[in-house]
Amino acid sequence: DAGVTQSPTHLIKTRGQHVTLRCSPISGHKSVSWYQQVLGQGPQFIFQYYEKEERGRGNFPDRFSARQFPNYSSELNVNALLLGDSALYLCASSSNRDTEAFFGQGTRLTVV
Amino acid sequence: AQSVTQLDSHVSVSEGTPVLLRCNYSSSYSPSLFWYVQHPNKGLQLLLKYTSAATLVKGINGFEAEFKKSETSFHLTKPSAHMSDAAEYFCVVSGNKGSARQLTFGSGTQLTVLP
Repeated sequence: DAGVTQSPTHLIKTRGQHVTLRCSPISGHKSVSWYQQVLGQGPQFIFQYYEKEERGRGNFPDRFSARQFPNYSSELNVNALLLGDSALYLCASSSNRDTEAFFGQGTRLTVV
Repeated sequence: AQSVTQLDSHVSVSEGTPVLLRCNYSSSYSPSLFWYVQHPNKGLQLLLKYTSAATLVKGINGFEAEFKKSETSFHLTKPSAHMSDAAEYFCVVSGNKGSARQLTFGSGTQLTVLP
């Protein structure tokens, strides 16, 4: 079975632009969470989606948004990019809200 | 609110010697605790998890962790390090954020294994 897949793997954007990152969960998993990992730090929670609804949000500005589709895949959108948004963005899927999370390999976003 | 503190940002051991990565946690209730490993340019892999069953938890690749409530600790150990163990290790506590299940990560410990 395929694990959690994220696309693209790397991305370079200019300040002020918009970016969309994509995540496909493990087959049968209904929950997707997004994390931001800045270089040298541990990942930080951005969102969890379960059954296509946002269940919780971390301390991130409204420039960050996400959605989950009927097939449980998810998109993370970031508007008005700042240099500080440069990070590894990780997607994690789990079968439901509370079970073990499996992580994808991440999308490396560089904002210049 | 829950949090974890990893006491060492870098640990260096020789191949074949024991590994100890230290983690203290803070939680207002009985926590779920995890250790994840991250190899360069790869995603996070779950090593082991504690969910209020046995206090000594065995994970993959020979790693173990012991939950000590009195010390609020969840240290990761391995009897004999291999070169392939070189990676970043994260101690993680699970908690609620609204109706979401949030993982709170420590700042990580970089493990170097010397030949």
